Amino acid sequence: AQSVSQHNHHVILSEAASLELGCNYSYGGTVNLFWYVQYPGQHLQLLLKYFSGDPLVKGIKGFEAEFIKSKFSFNLRKPSVQWSDTAEYFCAVTPTSGTYKYIFGTGTRLKVLA
Amino acid sequence: GAVVSQHPSRVICKSGTSVKIECRSLDFQATTMFWYRQFPKQSLMLMATSNEGSKATYEQGVEKDKFLINHASLTLSTLTVTSAHPEDSSFYICSALDSTSGNTIYFGEGSWLTVV
Repeated sequence: AQSVSQHNHHVILSEAASLELGCNYSYGGTVNLFWYVQYPGQHLQLLLKYFSGDPLVKGIKGFEAEFIKSKFSFNLRKPSVQWSDTAEYFCAVTPTSGTYKYIFGTGTRLKVLA
Repeated sequence: GAVVSQHPSRVICKSGTSVKIECRSLDFQATTMFWYRQFPKQSLMLMATSNEGSKATYEQGVEKDKFLINHASLTLSTLTVTSAHPEDSSFYICSALDSTSGNTIYFGEGSWLTVV
C-alpha cells in the first residue's frame, strides 16, 4: 500500500538552529514529491517539489530537500530556522502516472523559539 | 499565485441536517478538484476526486451517498455532507489542479465543520 511516513511529529528548535525533517514513502512506482507548509490559521502552501533531475531541490524561504531514491526518502532541511518558520510541515507524494492523488504524511509541527 | 477559496471557513450544524461547502478556483479553471478530510493531529485523507461534468471518484471507505460532490463548473466544486452526525465533525480541505501551470495543485483554506 502507498504510504508516507514523517517520523518527527513535534520538533522544537531555537532560532538559528538547523532543521531536518524526515520523510519516507512507500510506493511501487515512480513518484513526484512535495513538501507543504501550513502556517497557523492559513492554508497549505507549496514549499518545494521534486519531479525529476537534480535530487537536491531548493524551495522558498531557504528550504531545500534531497531525494534519495535508494532510501525512498525526501528529507526537508533548512540551515538556520527563524521564529516565522513555526508551522506544520507535510510531506506528500503523487504517482507520476498523472492521477494527482496526493498521499500525505501525518505532518510535523515545528515550533521555533525566539 | 493561484488562489483556491473555500466557503464557509467554519460552520456549525445540527445533527441530521445537511451542510454544503464550496470550493472555488479564483483565477484559473480547474477540471479536477480534490476533497480531503483532516482529523486532529492526523494527516489529510483524500476523500474523492471531483471531475467537472462527470461523477466524482470516491476513495475506498468514503460513503458517496453521504458526501455528495458536485463539480458543475470549471471553477466550482461543492461537497455536501448529508444527514450530518457528530462523527462527521472535521476539517475539510479542497484542492484544485491548475493544468496551465505545470499541473500544480493549490489548496483551499479549509472548512471546519462541527456537528452538534
